[in-house]
Amino acid sequence: ETGVTQTPRHLVMGMTNKKSLKCEQHLGHNAMYWYKQSAKKPLELMFVYNFKEQTENNSVPSRFSPECPNSSHLFLHLHTLQPEDSALYLCASSTLSGGEETQYFGPGTRLLVL
Amino acid sequence: DAKTTQPTSMDCAEGRAANLPCNHSTISGNEYVYWYRQIHSQGPQYIIHGLKNNETNEMASLIITEDRKSSTLILPHATLRDTAVYYCIVRVAVLTGYALNFGKGTSLLVTP
Repeated sequence: ETGVTQTPRHLVMGMTNKKSLKCEQHLGHNAMYWYKQSAKKPLELMFVYNFKEQTENNSVPSRFSPECPNSSHLFLHLHTLQPEDSALYLCASSTLSGGEETQYFGPGTRLLVL
Repeated sequence: DAKTTQPTSMDCAEGRAANLPCNHSTISGNEYVYWYRQIHSQGPQYIIHGLKNNETNEMASLIITEDRKSSTLILPHATLRDTAVYYCIVRVAVLTGYALNFGKGTSLLVTP
């Protein structure tokens, strides 16, 4: 599916680097999400944006900084990460219309912090 | 939040139906059952969801028991490409968005 795209697909960074992950949805949705999936662990919700407003921050360290400039784009800015932050970072989007809401995921960015 | 219980792993022969069970005995009346799957190192793929009635789409069928305490995802003719981890999720509301609580899922292996 190409409804939700993420770039880059793979990223290697040092602990002192600053990098950004990008997510774009082409589905006309108005909510976007960042999830983290560490090795052999379930997906964990990090952030939720509804109509460009952050409505959920799931106790995520400040070295992760989200940005949602419009309802189609979502960024995750990374700085001074730790090796334990190495994981698959997944973006998702959904339509907030009450009742039934389905999240659609992008392919993910595989991040390795050295 | 309603929790789900799934078998850790299952095998299925190619071409046969794969029946993946899920127990959600504490589900509340307005919570939906969603199924996703994740092929290794890819993003989760939505499969199907339902509230009370059985549902069918081009990928699968979802059978929900009358008391809604359990459900079964059916892949009618499994192929090798259906090998993945399958997640049964009961929707949780988080403010105006919602968090999908992915557990450990069922690892389905489709064999030739």
